[in-house]
Amino acid sequence: KQEVTQIPAALSVPEGENLVLNCSFTDSAIYNLQWFRQDPGKGLTSLLLIQSSQREQTSGRLNASLDKSSGRSTLYIAASQPGDSATYLCAVYNNNDMRFGAGTRLTVKP
Amino acid sequence: ETGVTQTPRHLVMGMTNKKSLKCEQHLGHNAMYWYKQSAKKPLELMFVYNFKEQTENNSVPSRFSPECPNSSHLFLHLHTLQPEDSALYLCASSVRWAGGVEQFFGPGTRLTVL
Repeated sequence: KQEVTQIPAALSVPEGENLVLNCSFTDSAIYNLQWFRQDPGKGLTSLLLIQSSQREQTSGRLNASLDKSSGRSTLYIAASQPGDSATYLCAVYNNNDMRFGAGTRLTVKP
Repeated sequence: ETGVTQTPRHLVMGMTNKKSLKCEQHLGHNAMYWYKQSAKKPLELMFVYNFKEQTENNSVPSRFSPECPNSSHLFLHLHTLQPEDSALYLCASSVRWAGGVEQFFGPGTRLTVL
């Protein structure tokens, strides 16, 4: 059974810092990995989708990497802003199932 | 808005009540999903409908009954729920149920079972 772990559970940084969020999974036979953002009381917004054959994806200030063999993905956020404050979730898809991590709650202080 | 809407946004019900959650997507997608998000637990996939056919049911208790009358609408019928069923219920859709496709989520229904 696939297990997805996100570390740290919470992170607080001053505005302008670059930061890295971590996601690990136990079964490396994944089809893809997706990073989401969730604002309090709201649904999820897809940020980046990495196929198993890819090593990274970039969108604006966000860069997600995937190392399937080691069961790890990172989400890099450059020049963080207060508007980046949210919970970030990673999810992996394989065997007709989608498993989510518990998320990292990010606070960017002005 | 992502094109996926859910109603109601908040619901309080007793354990003997029967209620339904509704999800609608305007994205032309063929797959729709129900997820449960409990406090301090990872998001759990409950049901998957692909081209109106239920393809996945992740050991969800029978007190939760999904219905997908067409590819744009998805319901979750609730009856004799327990307090531990209180959670945020999220609906999502995608082009199809398969790897390599992006899922789009609705805002969720916050359910409280008294």
